[in-house]
This record gives sequence, C-alpha cells and structure tokens, in this order.
Amino acid sequence: SYEVTQPSSVSVSPGQTARIPCSGEVLAKMYVRWFQQKPGQAPVVVIYKDVERPSGIPERFSGSTSGTTVILTINGAQAEDEADYYCYSASDTNWVFGGGTKLTVL
Amino acid sequence: EVQLAQSGTEVKKPGESLKISCKGSGYIFANYWIAWVRQMPGKGLEWMGSIFPGDSDIRYSPSSQGQVTISADKSISTAYLQWSSLKASDIGMYYCARVDTSGGDSWGQGTLVSVSS
Repeated sequence: SYEVTQPSSVSVSPGQTARIPCSGEVLAKMYVRWFQQKPGQAPVVVIYKDVERPSGIPERFSGSTSGTTVILTINGAQAEDEADYYCYSASDTNWVFGGGTKLTVL
Repeated sequence: EVQLAQSGTEVKKPGESLKISCKGSGYIFANYWIAWVRQMPGKGLEWMGSIFPGDSDIRYSPSSQGQVTISADKSISTAYLQWSSLKASDIGMYYCARVDTSGGDSWGQGTLVSVSS
C-alpha cells in the first residue's frame, strides 16, 4: 500500500508563512489535493492538481511540488487559517491520505 | 453552487442495518464520481469506495469490499452507503465527496455513525 506522510503539527505567528509538506512515492505519479478541516465543518479543498486553487480560496494559499514531495504554503497566515490540513491523492480505484497536520496560528 | 447534503447522525446497535445518504445539488449529479470516506476518531482517513451515478460503475477499496454497499439514484441526485449488519468497529464520521479533477473536489458535512450495545 502507498504511504503519505505529513508532520502532525505546524505553528506560525500571524502574518508569517506556513509550509506544510506531504511526502510519498505515490505523489510522483498522482496529483495531490489539500483540504482544510475545521472542527464541526465540512472539509474544504484549498488546492487541487498539486498547484491549482479552487475559486473562492484566498490567494495566500498555494501549492508546489518537487518529485515525491508536495508543499502547501500559506503566505501571511491568519487566525482563521488555524485548522487541520490533509493532503490526498485520488484515482478511480484508490485514494491515499496523509495523516493530517494541525496548523496553529498564534 | 455545488453542495452535498448528508443525512444526520445515526446511533445504532451491533447487528442493525443502516443506510446513509448524500444528496448533490448545483450540478449534474450523474456526471461526477461520488466517493465515500471514513474518518475515525483519533485516526486517519480511509477511502471506502466510489460510484459514478451515470452508469452505477462502483469501485470498492479492498477493505470495504463485501462490508458495505454503495449505490446511487440519479433521479433524485442521491448516493448511499449501507451496511447490512453493523459492527462496533464501524463507528466514525462518514463523508461523501464529489470528485472534480478540474475544479477541486466538494465534500459533504459528514454523517456520524455510532454503534454501541
């Protein structure tokens, strides 16, 4: 089975840049999505196809990729960005999830 | 606006059957895969399977095959996940998600399933 790893937590001060990496061999072959999950709310995709941002997602969210690692970057993190972030890849026959990263903005 | 509205919290006993739902709106339901994903407390996310409502093509994860049934009724834009006999280990939050490779997936709000004697 494929494994995808993320750090369990990342902390930044408001206005700083947060970077959340996601690594795994499968990521070299499949596009990565990122979703944001706040307590009690539905997950919201903030990046898809490694680097694309859905409409309505603030420009401070961006994605980058290098081989088997993808990175979610939040430029100028705000208090409202505090949430859990998950990377995942999906095909017709298999989905693979990272373990999630708790982003703290304080 | 694309929305996926899931059915409410379920509290069941082991051995009972259950069918939860996911109703899509704001798009042509038949044209997009719907995936079901489980999130267990304190644990990770697990893909269970997906269905293409247009032709009911269904894919199951190896661990879900034979344990659950995925279906859809495109006439009412609704997908389903069902169990014939729940186990205590089936507890968790279940999400449906519309797979959209060109614009970003959309997720439902989740259905909490509790199984306890």
